Amino acid sequence: LAKTTQPISMDSYEGQEVNITCSHNNIATNDYITWYQQFPSQGPRFIIQGYKTKVTNEVASLFIPADRKSSTLSLPRVSLSDTAVYYCLVGDILDKIIFGKGTRLHILP
Amino acid sequence: GAGVSQTPSNKVTEKGKYVELRCDPISGHTALYWYRQSLGQGPEFLIYFQGTGAADDSGLPNDRFFAVRPEGSVSTLKIQRTERGDSAVYLCASSLTSGRAKGNEQFFGPGTRLTVL
Repeated sequence: LAKTTQPISMDSYEGQEVNITCSHNNIATNDYITWYQQFPSQGPRFIIQGYKTKVTNEVASLFIPADRKSSTLSLPRVSLSDTAVYYCLVGDILDKIIFGKGTRLHILP
Repeated sequence: GAGVSQTPSNKVTEKGKYVELRCDPISGHTALYWYRQSLGQGPEFLIYFQGTGAADDSGLPNDRFFAVRPEGSVSTLKIQRTERGDSAVYLCASSLTSGRAKGNEQFFGPGTRLTVL
């Protein structure tokens, strides 16, 4: 399974757009890219998944360049409630998800 | 509808004791997963069930850990001779399907916080 690298922590302000980039240089042809969000004392929650180009849903957008060696999760107009840990995962065996330490996003008022 | 539920929410036990942690997946979900999470770390995969069978148990740390899903729905994670290092939050997740099929997003329960004294 491809290893991912993402910033340990990020701070932003309410109303801003937040972009969290994840590096996965060894991504394989069949690998998908998935992002999860986790609030304190809760289990992770699926945000978005993509394979290439751009994917958008009601929560976020996921940008994947042509070489797929990185991906960027974009959260539009964040609020205090977006403070959480965000995990980037890649793999073709989606049954077994390998989580890293994630990015701790702290939204300031 | 109801999400994934886990019981108990908290469990305190003494070193050497046996514990069982229960997971009720979302109705109709065929795949079920167990993870454990230590403070400041991401969830660590333990075992994955497809139906009643364990499709991948490579994450179980040793033979003190065992999990069952006898009827393809509820699952129980069993830990024998607990050690202080087993203290963690144990998370359960379920998904409608497995593999790369649509619907394989995992839905997580709130977890069981296990403390071994």
